[in-house]
Amino acid sequence: GAGVSQSPSNKVTEKGKDVELRCDPISGHTALYWYRQRLGQGLEFLIYFQGNSAPDKSGLPSDRFSAERTGESVSTLTIQRTQQEDSAVYLCASSLALSGVGGEAFFGQGTRLTVV
Amino acid sequence: GENVEQHPSTLSVQEGDSAVIKCTYSDSASNYFPWYKQELGKRPQLIIDIRSNVGEKKDQRIAVTLNKTAKHFSLHITETQPEDSAVYFCAAPSNYQLIWGAGTKLIIKP
Repeated sequence: GAGVSQSPSNKVTEKGKDVELRCDPISGHTALYWYRQRLGQGLEFLIYFQGNSAPDKSGLPSDRFSAERTGESVSTLTIQRTQQEDSAVYLCASSLALSGVGGEAFFGQGTRLTVV
Repeated sequence: GENVEQHPSTLSVQEGDSAVIKCTYSDSASNYFPWYKQELGKRPQLIIDIRSNVGEKKDQRIAVTLNKTAKHFSLHITETQPEDSAVYFCAAPSNYQLIWGAGTKLIIKP
């Protein structure tokens, strides 16, 4: 595709339910990042995937959060037993090279999650 | 690890005036400093970046300056226009990823 694609664009869920968010990175991009952005706030790192290496999960806020990625393709972020504080925009980004050494990070449009 | 501080958190300037946003970083080994712009309701997008082997880089009305000794870098926007209204994020590298500043909300007053 032309860019990073995320789905759904909006998700309203009841407290306690599980949700799954999807990210389709740009083809060929080996690095993939998930961020959380609360309203009016900055980018909170959640998890990072690089090729077939073990992911860096150090940013996940609790064990209710998990993410998977198969090779260099689609990634899913799962939030179990959602809480109201999980409400935020979840952004996915991919880059051809490691963003920390000069690889531009391309962001998806985000999934706006609202927990009611 | 890297620590990035960004100031100010909000900046209001008159249309046509210049705007400057500053970031400081802690890791002297950092060598790549991008700036991203996020318009309301949209995704962040790279607008300019600089590597540590140069002190300044310009692209039309925007420029970034880097002071390695003081460990700070700044975004300069000249002749500001309404479309410059957005949140701007700086970042600095830590290993394989970027550490982000908290963001600056730039408001352009007509």
